[in-house]
Amino acid sequence: DTGVSQNPRHKITKRGQNVTFRCDPISEHNRLYWYRQTLGQGPEFLTYFQNEAQLEKSRLLSDRFSAERPKGSFSTLEIQRTEQGDSAMYLCASSARAGTSGGAPLADTQYFGPGTRLTVL
Amino acid sequence: GNSVTQMEGPVTLSEEAFLTINCTYTATGYPSLFWYVQYPGEGLQLLLKATKADDKGSNKGFEATYRKETTSFHLEKGSVQVSDSAVYFCALSAQGAQKLVFGQGTRLTINP
Repeated sequence: DTGVSQNPRHKITKRGQNVTFRCDPISEHNRLYWYRQTLGQGPEFLTYFQNEAQLEKSRLLSDRFSAERPKGSFSTLEIQRTEQGDSAMYLCASSARAGTSGGAPLADTQYFGPGTRLTVL
Repeated sequence: GNSVTQMEGPVTLSEEAFLTINCTYTATGYPSLFWYVQYPGEGLQLLLKATKADDKGSNKGFEATYRKETTSFHLEKGSVQVSDSAVYFCALSAQGAQKLVFGQGTRLTINP
């Protein structure tokens, strides 16, 4: 188990440029999440995949943001026409389905990567 | 909507002091509750969790009890160490959902 990895760890870009981040989850995990964390705040949910299907997207995810998980393994998060307000830490997490208890789904334990820090100048 | 409110920080304590970081939540049904910790320069790590009322999560000397009646999940440790210095996040996942909703985090500094 090598943990969740994210690349790059740091990205500095100019306003208006496109950027792409990559996340490699723990190998047997079928669920993958993206969060955004700004300074002094807790992470905020962006989107979630189960295998290759994108099952939920936050209203925070404007149409400049797109995420993919084409083969149900690694995922990419692209931001087009970056703005200064996009500067943040982008976190990826993965989990294995926890199963059910009494017919109700159990909450997965999510394992987080180190994050990609984006700075938009 | 679902939300988590954490005790404002930063919190500074001396080594071996007793720690409490308050966390309350708003959610419908029966959410699962988590504490995550972020050590300097590292990613978020799960510290402990509880999935139903009156459950107690524990790890590394930290404990938190899921209190449905007060909608709380306060983090406690009897004797803190310098190595516990980190940012602590309380979080929930709503019943039937997978995404985590986090509090704003509490920065803890332990002085020797």
